[in-house]
Amino acid sequence: NAGVTQTPKFRVLKTGQSMTLLCAQDMNHEYMYWYRQDPGMGLRLIHYSVGEGTTAKGEVPDGYNVSRLKKQNFLLGLESAAPSQTSVYFCASSYPGRAMNTEAFFGQGTRLTVV
Amino acid sequence: SQQGEEDPQALSIQEGENATMNCSYKTSINNLQWYRQNSGRGLVHLILIRSNEREKHSGRLRVTLDTSKKSSSLLITASRAADTASYFCATGLLSGGYNKLIFGAGTRLAVHP
Repeated sequence: NAGVTQTPKFRVLKTGQSMTLLCAQDMNHEYMYWYRQDPGMGLRLIHYSVGEGTTAKGEVPDGYNVSRLKKQNFLLGLESAAPSQTSVYFCASSYPGRAMNTEAFFGQGTRLTVV
Repeated sequence: SQQGEEDPQALSIQEGENATMNCSYKTSINNLQWYRQNSGRGLVHLILIRSNEREKHSGRLRVTLDTSKKSSSLLITASRAADTASYFCATGLLSGGYNKLIFGAGTRLAVHP
């Protein structure tokens, strides 16, 4: 199994450009998450989804949109990229299980630079 | 501000020594999880402790949870150079009936041969 796959792995954008990051999981997980990681800040939750067709805001949702049209895919969009969105983006998925006590599986990350 | 905060931010030890990292959080949780991240890579799950558990072991890892103090600790015994990585605690929170996972800033562990 591939687990959680993120594409692309690297991208450089100009300010104002748009792009979509794709996350795909083959574990039939209900929950999917998008995080960004900045030096010294750990991971901050951008948006998450608890099932196909549902999305919710995390800690830092501004400037991002998401869609979960298919259970296995979770897309993160930047409509008008800004230098402050330069970061490493991680996708994760989990199966909630009973009482929500299950681990999350992470992709390898997308390194995005906005110039 | 972030839900979880690790302490210390950085830790440097010799091989064979024990490493202890602490995590404090602010709100009620379903569970607390610890993850490891090697430089430039994705996170790997280490251990999960439920809110009604006080201690859990997995190999050389020992995790404790004190919900009254809203804190957790991760102990790595007999450390090895290969344990060099960043370690993050993550709290599983109920929000609107759904679970979300919030991470702290992490502890950078360096184990010297």
